[in-house]
Amino acid sequence: QKEVEQNSGPLSVPEGAIASLNCTYSDRGSQSFFWYRQYSGKSPELIMFIYSNGDKEDGRFTAQLNKASQYVSLLIRDSQPSDSATYLCAVIGNSGYALNFGKGTSLLVTP
Amino acid sequence: EAGVVQSPRYKIIEKKQPVAFWCNPISGHNTLYWYLQNLGQGPELLIRYENEEAVDDSQLPKDRFSAERLKGVDSTLKIQPAELGDSAVYLCASSLGVAGNTGELFFGEGSRLTVL
Repeated sequence: QKEVEQNSGPLSVPEGAIASLNCTYSDRGSQSFFWYRQYSGKSPELIMFIYSNGDKEDGRFTAQLNKASQYVSLLIRDSQPSDSATYLCAVIGNSGYALNFGKGTSLLVTP
Repeated sequence: EAGVVQSPRYKIIEKKQPVAFWCNPISGHNTLYWYLQNLGQGPELLIRYENEEAVDDSQLPKDRFSAERLKGVDSTLKIQPAELGDSAVYLCASSLGVAGNTGELFFGEGSRLTVL
């Protein structure tokens, strides 16, 4: 079982809608959780990180963490075509040193 | 400020040939990572350096892969001999301190390897 699981998609949403991306992880001792965005042919870039249970908002993005259920999600409000990309969930386990990435969810926002 | 620089961007070689990738991290970043990314997959860690010391190389296939980070700055990743299954994008990333602090890794553009 891979440590970080994501549905590969593609997830298609219309412009202006809310996109919901989900991720589960297997290491219950994981401490830190991250969402990276990767445009086609480009390198990943950090969007948000979350450490505590609950919600964390940054502009149109909201990260949600539920450690008891071992899932983390990313909501994108008012989705724009420019949000079309692959979203990578990453987790740092007990070692606290390196990120373990999921395979990513492809998001397509249609005009 | 310059980002993480990698070269070459693209490399096409025949199987059993050697290949090397170079990475120059962001100035002042003491932690450097090499990740491998296959098509449709997330990055997978190959090796992590703190300064010049390889502190995590458990996922590096040591029979054919080697890496070095001389003087704790630039790094080179080598494959010898390359196999068909090595075709992938090799990403270099750096961070200020260990990733656990903020999780913000700064990635280079990657080196895309095609093995024929």
